[in-house]
Parts: sequence; C-alpha cells; structure tokens
Amino acid sequence: KNQVEQSPQSLIILEGKNCTLQCNYTVSPFSNLRWYKQDTGRGPVSLTIMTFSENTKSNGRYTATLDADTKQSSLHITASQLSDSASYICVVSEAGGGNKLTFGTGTQLKVEL
Amino acid sequence: EAQVTQNPRYLITVTGKKLTVTCSQNMNHEYMSWYRQDPGLGLRQIYYSMNVEVTDKGDVPEGYKVSRKEKRNFPLILESPSPNQTSLYFCASSFKGDSLVGTEAFFGQGTRLTVV
Repeated sequence: KNQVEQSPQSLIILEGKNCTLQCNYTVSPFSNLRWYKQDTGRGPVSLTIMTFSENTKSNGRYTATLDADTKQSSLHITASQLSDSASYICVVSEAGGGNKLTFGTGTQLKVEL
Repeated sequence: EAQVTQNPRYLITVTGKKLTVTCSQNMNHEYMSWYRQDPGLGLRQIYYSMNVEVTDKGDVPEGYKVSRKEKRNFPLILESPSPNQTSLYFCASSFKGDSLVGTEAFFGQGTRLTVV
C-alpha cells in the first residue's frame, strides 16, 4: 500500500531559527513529490514540486530536497517567521495513475517569539 | 485571480437530508477532485474527474456522488448524509491528468461539514 510518513508530528521553534521536516514514502511507481503549506482552516498551498531527476528545489526561505533512491524528502525552512506557523504536508504523486496523490498527515509547525 | 471556489464554507445538517457542496475553478483545468480531511489522517480522495463527463472513484467514495457537466464545476453530492461524513472537505483542480508531468494542484478554501 502506498504510504507517506512525516516526522516530526509537531514542532515548536523560536522565530528566526531554522528547521527541517522529514518525509519518507513508499509510493511506486513514483512521479513527483510536493510540499504544501496549510494554514489552519484553509486549503493547502503548493510550495515545491520535484520530479525524480531533481534533488533540490527552493521557494524563498523554503528548500526541499529529494533522494529518490532512499525515498526520502526534507523541507528546510530558513529564518523562520511567525507566519510560517502551519501544517506542512508532503504529497507524492503516482506515475501513470492520473494524478493519484498520496498525502502525509503533516507536520504541525509553531513559530514562537 | 486564479482560484478554486467552494460553497458553502460551513454547513451543519441533519442525518439523511440531501446536500450539495459546489466547487468551481476559473483556470480551465481538466482535472478536478474532492478530498476529505480528518484529524490524524492525511487528505483522502473521494472522487476525481479527468474531464467533462469523466468521473471515477477515489479511495473513499462511499456515500458520495459527483457530476462533471461543465469543465469549471464539480459538485459533491451527499444523498443521505450520516454523522461519519462530518469532516473538512476540499476541492482541487489542476492541468492534465498525466502525473508524469508535475502539475500544481490548486485547492479550495474548504467546507466544514457537520452532520448531526
């Protein structure tokens, strides 16, 4: 069964600090991996999308990495801000499955003063 | 502005009373889908549509219906809602159904449904 597991489940950091969120997946055949940010009560918003040939992609203070061999990804947030407080969801797309997406349960990040 | 619009945002209803949650996108996307999000679980796909008049079941389709008569609209229908359908629902759309090409999925703002 295709699965996406994220760690940690929740994280509290101080404003200005960096953090790294982890994602392990078993989706096969693999097409691409996405990171989404979801504010409380709102829809997820895309941060990055990576195919198997890409091992890093940045979007401002967000940098995602992908190791397709070990089926692991990470999302690094630099110089965190209060507005980064949200759930970060790792999503893996299955090749040939017509946009079939498998969602992780998310890492709940809280940035405090 | 490119967006996916869901209505209503909040809904409380009683068991067995038919309801429809509307979803509309203005990006000319072929692919649309519905998800439900429950505490401790990732988003789970209910139904999806690759194009007009083409719909298929996702992972948790029981108790739901959809239709795709026009490209921009993809309503979710609960013929006889039950309390276990209390959840947060999201509609999403994207270009193409070919997952070999990384396509960004745009999500609506969500509909919080409570069935009592």
